[in-house]
Amino acid sequence: DQQVKQNSPSLSVQEGRISILNCDYTNSMFDYFLWYKKYPAEGPTFLISISSIKDKNEDGRFTVFLNKSAKHLSLHIVPSQPGDSAVYFCAASARRGSTLGRLYFGRGTQLTVWP
Amino acid sequence: ETGVTQSPTHLIKTRGQQVTLRCSSQSGHNTVSWYQQALGQGPQFIFQYYREEENGRGNFPPRFSGLQFPNYSSELNVNALELDDSALYLCASSFATSANTGELFFGEGSRLTVL
Repeated sequence: DQQVKQNSPSLSVQEGRISILNCDYTNSMFDYFLWYKKYPAEGPTFLISISSIKDKNEDGRFTVFLNKSAKHLSLHIVPSQPGDSAVYFCAASARRGSTLGRLYFGRGTQLTVWP
Repeated sequence: ETGVTQSPTHLIKTRGQQVTLRCSSQSGHNTVSWYQQALGQGPQFIFQYYREEENGRGNFPPRFSGLQFPNYSSELNVNALELDDSALYLCASSFATSANTGELFFGEGSRLTVL
C-alpha cells in the first residue's frame, strides 16, 4: 500500500519558470516530510524538509508547502535551472510509534528543465 | 569528511544464490538504514541498525538480514535470491538525532541483477 504518492511521473519546465512538484500522503501519523533529489548513478540527496507544525519552509530557490488537512505537499522551484533536472522523491516519516528515521518514499517525479 | 560508500556498485547473481552488499557510513554517523529501489519505484525501507542492533524492519522476509559493525560499517545479506530481488540497494547513514527527522545520507547504491 503506497502511503506516499507522487502521481506525476514526469514534469517538463522551461528554464527560469517555476517548477511545482506534488505529493500526497495517506498516513495521518506522518509528521515530517522531506524532498530528495536523485541524479543518475548517484544516491538520493536531501533537499528540503518541513515539520507538520509548519505550513511552509523556504531555502533559497526551493520552497515546500504543506497542507495537512488535504494531506498534500508541494515543492516549488523558482527559478528553475537546467541543473535541477533530476528525479525528485517525496518522503515522509513518523517520529512517534515508528522506527525513527524510517522514510516512506513516493515513486518520484522526473523533472526536466529545458533552456 | 568521507561520504557513504557502497560496494560493489554492480553485480549479477543467479536465482537461489546468496549476496552480500557492503556499506561504509559517513564519518560520525551511528545509524545505518538499507533501502531497496526496484525499477520505477521509490526506495522501500528494509531495516535499520543502531549500535549494532536491528532497530526496525520493513516488510521484507527473513532471508534479508544485516549486520552493523563497531566501526558503523554495515552489510546487507540476501539468501535464496529471487528474480524480484533485482533492484538498486541503497545504504543510508545518519547520526541518531538527525535520524529522528529522516535526513539521511545515501550512498550511490549497489545494482543487483538476478538472472
